Amino acid sequence: NAGVTQTPKFQVLKTGQSMTLQCAQDMNHNSMYWYRQDPGMGLRLIYYSASEGTTDKGEVPNGYNVSRLNKREFSLRLESAAPSQTSVYFCASRSGIYGYTFGSGTRLTVV
Amino acid sequence: GENVEQHPSTLSVQEGDSAVIKCTYSDSASNYFPWYKQELGKGPQLIIDIRSNVGEKKDQRIAVTLNKTAKHFSLHITETQPEDSAVYFCAANSGGGADGLTFGKGTHLIIQP
Repeated sequence: NAGVTQTPKFQVLKTGQSMTLQCAQDMNHNSMYWYRQDPGMGLRLIYYSASEGTTDKGEVPNGYNVSRLNKREFSLRLESAAPSQTSVYFCASRSGIYGYTFGSGTRLTVV
Repeated sequence: GENVEQHPSTLSVQEGDSAVIKCTYSDSASNYFPWYKQELGKGPQLIIDIRSNVGEKKDQRIAVTLNKTAKHFSLHITETQPEDSAVYFCAANSGGGADGLTFGKGTHLIIQP
């Protein structure tokens, strides 16, 4: 049972390049989330998907798009990367009302 | 929306002593308060959580207390060990219908041998 799997683990992009961060969960959870973590800032919610076919903005959605491909997969896309998007990105999924499980993260550097 | 404040940002204690981390929240409708431990290079791991209908919860050396009137909750770690060294985050859900958790900024706990 892998839980929440994120790919890639590390990525370096040039300013203006695009990329998609992948997330998959094998726990049959309905809700999935994307967070970013910056030094001294904790984790901030970018987008979430309460169920397959729905997505909603979180606290810091600007510059990102998401796709809930199916119940298992929730991807995060940067269309034109900026240095301000250098961060560690975490995907999470939720069981019932309370149980959030996080992936191991993608460390993204935009130069 | 919800706002979560966490203190201190760094906490250094002697091995075997107790550690306490405190958080306050702003949304009186929040009803779920988890604590996460994050080790270097890893994702956050849930260590304990508490719901609004409970004032205290304990799991071996870890306990969490909740004061809904004052809107604050605390993490207590007793008999600290070197493996407790990590960054700890408190969080709260939103009671207003929005999904996801709002996190505090984290506490770097250092256990001195």
